[in-house]
Amino acid sequence: EAQVTQNPRYLITVTGKKLTVTCSQNMNHEYMSWYRQDPGLGLRQIYYSMNVEVTDKGDVPEGYKVSRKEKRNFPLILESPSPNQTSLYFCASSFWQGNTGELFFGEGSRLTVL
Amino acid sequence: GENVEQHPSTLSVQEGDSAVIKCTYSDSASNYFPWYKQELGKRPQLIIDIRSNVGEKKDQRIAVTLNKTAKHFSLHITETQPEDSAVYFCAASIGQAGTALIFGKGTTLSVSS
Repeated sequence: EAQVTQNPRYLITVTGKKLTVTCSQNMNHEYMSWYRQDPGLGLRQIYYSMNVEVTDKGDVPEGYKVSRKEKRNFPLILESPSPNQTSLYFCASSFWQGNTGELFFGEGSRLTVL
Repeated sequence: GENVEQHPSTLSVQEGDSAVIKCTYSDSASNYFPWYKQELGKRPQLIIDIRSNVGEKKDQRIAVTLNKTAKHFSLHITETQPEDSAVYFCAASIGQAGTALIFGKGTTLSVSS
């Protein structure tokens, strides 16, 4: 089954404790991206990657890191989480068709930072 | 920076009525405009998209129109049904290369029977 898998789905952590949210896709997509969703603010892009070892900042990259060592994986790293990073996070992937194609989203990861 | 404005933020209609959601974008290089539907507690899913060389696209009860000159595009849902109740997001690609999407803030559509 074609899918984007995120883990963990739910996490409660404390300020400053490093954490990683994993994202994996099995569709051989070139393009992968992370979004955060907050009430009233819609979906805001954190980072994206157009292929292995190619990453770039989105609208709200501060406090986050990413890596793309393999085509299927695109982990999101919070080195020192703060309460303002409490949010619902979505990973997404798509084929690259000379432009962003249909995004396939993971189920989301709800993060709470105390 | 570039942005996408979406209106209205909430929309309530009776079953069978039509619903229209409008978006405007700022990047004149935008050339791809998708619409995503997010049901409560679920992930966003693409429902329809349009590219800049097309003015209108239909898929059963949903349609999207694009006015590149005015930099706005709209989602039209006819004969609404309760299962259309969801949050709808418009988006626009950024730059000539279209390497990123900027999303509107979403419209919560409620269809009452």
